Amino acid sequence: RKEVEQDPGPFNVPEGATVAFNCTYSNSASQSFFWYRQDCRKEPKLLMSVYSSGNEDGRFTAQLNRASQYISLLIRDSKLSDSATYLCAVKAGNTGKLIFGQGTTLQVKP
Amino acid sequence: GAGVSQSPSNKVTEKGKDVELRCDPISGHTALYWYRQRLGQGLEFLIYFQGNSAPDKSGLPSDRFSAERTGESVSTLTIQRTQQEDSAVYLCASSLVAGNRDYTFGSGTRLTVV
Repeated sequence: RKEVEQDPGPFNVPEGATVAFNCTYSNSASQSFFWYRQDCRKEPKLLMSVYSSGNEDGRFTAQLNRASQYISLLIRDSKLSDSATYLCAVKAGNTGKLIFGQGTTLQVKP
Repeated sequence: GAGVSQSPSNKVTEKGKDVELRCDPISGHTALYWYRQRLGQGLEFLIYFQGNSAPDKSGLPSDRFSAERTGESVSTLTIQRTQQEDSAVYLCASSLVAGNRDYTFGSGTRLTVV
């Protein structure tokens, strides 16, 4: 079993739709959680950190469920520009090493 | 520099040749990480540097892979006797201190082994 797993998709949604991605992790000692966005042939860029109480940044909401060991990302009112691959990442320990999921591809259509 | 710089941006090499990939981290960033991303896959951790020591090299896939870092500056990832399965994008990231949330990735080196 992979340490961090995501549904690869692709998720094809119309503009304005709400879409949610889940990511499960196997190491219960994981301490920090992140969502990254990666555009085609580009490097990943941090979208948002995920806090225990859940957090929101505009149209994006991230949540953490430690008991079930998953994190989620909700995108409301999808825009064409949201089309990208979304990678979840998990950190355990103090080295800063991140373990990434394989990414979920989102395609927002007009 | 302003960001993490990697060179070359693209590299095509023949199977069996050695390659060196370079990463210039953001000035002052003590922690440096190498990852590999195969087509359509997530990022695989390769090695982590704190300063010029490598406390975690658990992700290096074989003894053909090695990396070094000069002080808190440039790092090189060397792949000896390249194989076709080494074809991937090699990404470098740096952060101010280990465990810092402010990872910054370089744009990567796309390696193709023919």
